[in-house]
Amino acid sequence: DAKTTQPNSMESNEEEPVHLPCNHSTISGTDYIHWYRQLPSQGPEYVIHGLTSNVNNRMASLAIAEDRKSSTLILHRATLRDAAVYYCILRDEKSNFGNEKLTFGTGTRLTIIP
Amino acid sequence: AAGVIQSPRHLIKEKRETATLKCYPIPRHDTVYWYQQGPGQDPQFLISFYEKMQSDKGSIPDRFSAQQFSDYHSELNMSSLELGDSALYFCASSLFSGTGLLEEYSGANVLTFGAGSRLTVL
Repeated sequence: DAKTTQPNSMESNEEEPVHLPCNHSTISGTDYIHWYRQLPSQGPEYVIHGLTSNVNNRMASLAIAEDRKSSTLILHRATLRDAAVYYCILRDEKSNFGNEKLTFGTGTRLTIIP
Repeated sequence: AAGVIQSPRHLIKEKRETATLKCYPIPRHDTVYWYQQGPGQDPQFLISFYEKMQSDKGSIPDRFSAQQFSDYHSELNMSSLELGDSALYFCASSLFSGTGLLEEYSGANVLTFGAGSRLTVL
């Protein structure tokens, strides 16, 4: 799987938007961009994913650069419960059944300041 | 909605003992994954099963084995435990949304993780 690069840590004030960047310059045309987060002492949790177009769901938005070499996870209004490690993961669209594992790199530890 | 259930949530063992962790996937999910997360580390993929057959293998020690049963639950067996095996073990499940043909792919599938089992080896 292609590699992603994220900042080790970020801080944000509560109730403000948060933009978490991810670089993936070696992304292939068939790689999906997935974001998961892991809250303290919990299992990873799906946040959002996309291929080429920007995506929105109830948790966040995903902005994908036109060349797809970077993306940004946007939390529109951070709360204390959003404090977690956020992982940007590339997954090949051509993942055979049963070979759909996620390969976690070093994510971004997000701290929310009250 | 039903989630991925893992048991036990906490387990304490002595060195050289054996431990078994269980995972009950979301109903109708056909794929189970096991991950190990050491203290301060990121989750590392161990092994996965699709329709009760091993489908992928990561950095799983030879002392560990796993299987998926007919009811789709999975068990991770760890023998000759070492201090370094102390970690959080996560199970995840997913549903392959393709037709099952080799030509059908689904890199968009989402994994749902359980709360984890914390193993402490003394």
